[in-house]
Amino acid sequence: SYELTQPPSVSVSPGQTASITCSGDKLGNKYASWYQQRPGQSPVLVIYQDTKRPSGIPERFSGSNSGNTATLTISGTQAMDEGDYYCQAWDTSTDVVFGGGTKLTVL
Amino acid sequence: QLQLQESGPGLVKPSETLSLTCTVSGGSVSSDSFYWGWIRQSPGKGLEWIGCIYSSGNTYYNPSLKSRVTISVDTSTNQFSLKLSSVTAADTSVYYCARQKTDSGRYMDIWGTGTTVTVSS
Repeated sequence: SYELTQPPSVSVSPGQTASITCSGDKLGNKYASWYQQRPGQSPVLVIYQDTKRPSGIPERFSGSNSGNTATLTISGTQAMDEGDYYCQAWDTSTDVVFGGGTKLTVL
Repeated sequence: QLQLQESGPGLVKPSETLSLTCTVSGGSVSSDSFYWGWIRQSPGKGLEWIGCIYSSGNTYYNPSLKSRVTISVDTSTNQFSLKLSSVTAADTSVYYCARQKTDSGRYMDIWGTGTTVTVSS
């Protein structure tokens, strides 16, 4: 089965850049998506097809995907960006797969 | 604006079948570009994709749950449903329904608010 690996936690100071990685075998050959989940809320799509932002998502959210790693970058991180972030990919054998999630703390 | 709302029993006994419905408003389950999916999240854990369905009835399931899962769609009521059989305590989760794009990546662009299901006698 296909697996995606994320760091359990990432910390960042307000105004700085946060990077959250997602690793999987030849992930760069698939499309990666990213979801933000604030405590007690449903997930929200913040990046799809590696680099695209849905309408209403701030420009400070960006994504990349190459080799075995996809990266979600949050520039000028704000306190409201705290939460859990999940990567997701699609594979022909296992269909939709989520990473284990990363807790982002804005210190 | 499209909205999704899950409904169903919050408590299910072990070995029984969990049944949930997702009602779609502000849009149609018959739309060409979307699947309609179910995702769950165990307490304090990550997201697990359960499966999805197209309006034609074609289904796609997580291989680890496939033997116990049935997803169906009712275009007349604009709803789709999840059945999970032979449940155990490990199936206790928040269950979300979501709209899933058929584009490359099969991402979920709209989610319901989620419903908590506890498996206990």
